[in-house]
Amino acid sequence: DVKVTQSSRYLVKRTGEKVFLECVQDMDHENMFWYRQDPGLGLRLIYFSYDVKMKEKGDIPEGYSVSREKKERFSLILESASTNQTSMYLCASSFGGGDGSYEQYFGPGTRLTVT
Amino acid sequence: SQQGEEDPQALSIQEGENATMNCSYKTSINNLQWYRQNSGRGLVHLILIRSNEREKHSGRLRVTLDTSKKSSSLLITASRAADTASYFCATDEGGYSTLTFGKGTMLLVSP
Repeated sequence: DVKVTQSSRYLVKRTGEKVFLECVQDMDHENMFWYRQDPGLGLRLIYFSYDVKMKEKGDIPEGYSVSREKKERFSLILESASTNQTSMYLCASSFGGGDGSYEQYFGPGTRLTVT
Repeated sequence: SQQGEEDPQALSIQEGENATMNCSYKTSINNLQWYRQNSGRGLVHLILIRSNEREKHSGRLRVTLDTSKKSSSLLITASRAADTASYFCATDEGGYSTLTFGKGTMLLVSP
């Protein structure tokens, strides 16, 4: 069974703090993704990575950065948290290469509140 | 950018009834996928249908794809209370294996 784990289920941070969200997958997947989910807006892609040390911006990368030093781990960093970054953050992974995309496996999510 | 758009936004049915959700999208796709999300949890992959396929089944799920109309439907037969969840379609437009998700349909199945 593929397992994607996220470091926290709930997190409360103060405005201006640096926030690290960690994601680990155990299926040797090439691709990893970070999304945020907000009511009425669905899932929006923040960043993704298709290989170690490689990263690509998604639809809403502003205010975020990522790090992928090892294949199984993908970190999302909020350099200076703001209240508009209060959201549910979802990490996902999938196989890469080939023709078209594969199914994505999601972690349980981290609900981040910035006060 | 939002690609898929589910319809209806919310659906309420009784156990045993069938539930149909629709997804429309704008550009050509490699494949279309459906996911389920139970309240406050991560998404779970249900089914993937490729652009050259018209229909696919998995258990009580039936998915159709009409590329000429740029639309897909998800049918859940004989619904159960445990099917209560949000359902999302996601399209693969090519490139880096990313998906673009719709905003979802909330399904409520009452006992």
